Amino acid sequence: GENVEQHPSTLSVQEGDSAVIKCTYSDSASNYFPWYKQELGKRPQLIIDIRSNVGEKKDQRIAVTLNKTAKHFSLHITETQPEDSAVYFCAASMGGATNKLIFGTGTLLAVQP
Amino acid sequence: DGGITQSPKYLFRKEGQNVTLSCEQNLNHDAMYWYRQDPGQGLRLIYYSQIVNDFQKGDIAEGYSVSREKKESFPLTVTSAQKNPTAFYLCASKVGWQGGEQYFGPGTRLTVT
Repeated sequence: GENVEQHPSTLSVQEGDSAVIKCTYSDSASNYFPWYKQELGKRPQLIIDIRSNVGEKKDQRIAVTLNKTAKHFSLHITETQPEDSAVYFCAASMGGATNKLIFGTGTLLAVQP
Repeated sequence: DGGITQSPKYLFRKEGQNVTLSCEQNLNHDAMYWYRQDPGQGLRLIYYSQIVNDFQKGDIAEGYSVSREKKESFPLTVTSAQKNPTAFYLCASKVGWQGGEQYFGPGTRLTVT
């Protein structure tokens, strides 16, 4: 069935370094790819998203890249700060009428000061 | 943190009891979703509704039921048939059924003993 794989499950970086989280999806009809940040005990919040007609999108220190051929998309965070520490989830929307989101299993990012 | 609310924040029940989790939104969103979050498993879709008086099963609907009698409300009932109900439950809503940002509620942590 539809599946989104996310790696790594945990990531520890030094403050100021870059962090990269990668996801792959199985449904070639997927057309929308959001990234959510969830702080401990809080609700997930959208930080950036990309649609299938775009290869890259950037918002300040955050960028997302999409490779439709390989069915890969990645989140890049530059100049990491301690407040970036959280769990990050990727997701892919299934094609067709339902447009359900299938989520990856999450990456716990720890930024060490 | 207005927009989409869930109550209560914490809920405790004895095994064998049905329990209903509340989800309300004042964003005038058509689509609403229920997810279950377990450690290391990301968010899994239980039920979703694209319009009033209509809803569809998600990937893990067994042991759950929903209703959508009003646009603003999408309550989830966890029945005694759900084998492992202890989890963090998140409700979300979206403007339309097509791709776009899902807004999450603060979640309800259900513990069944």
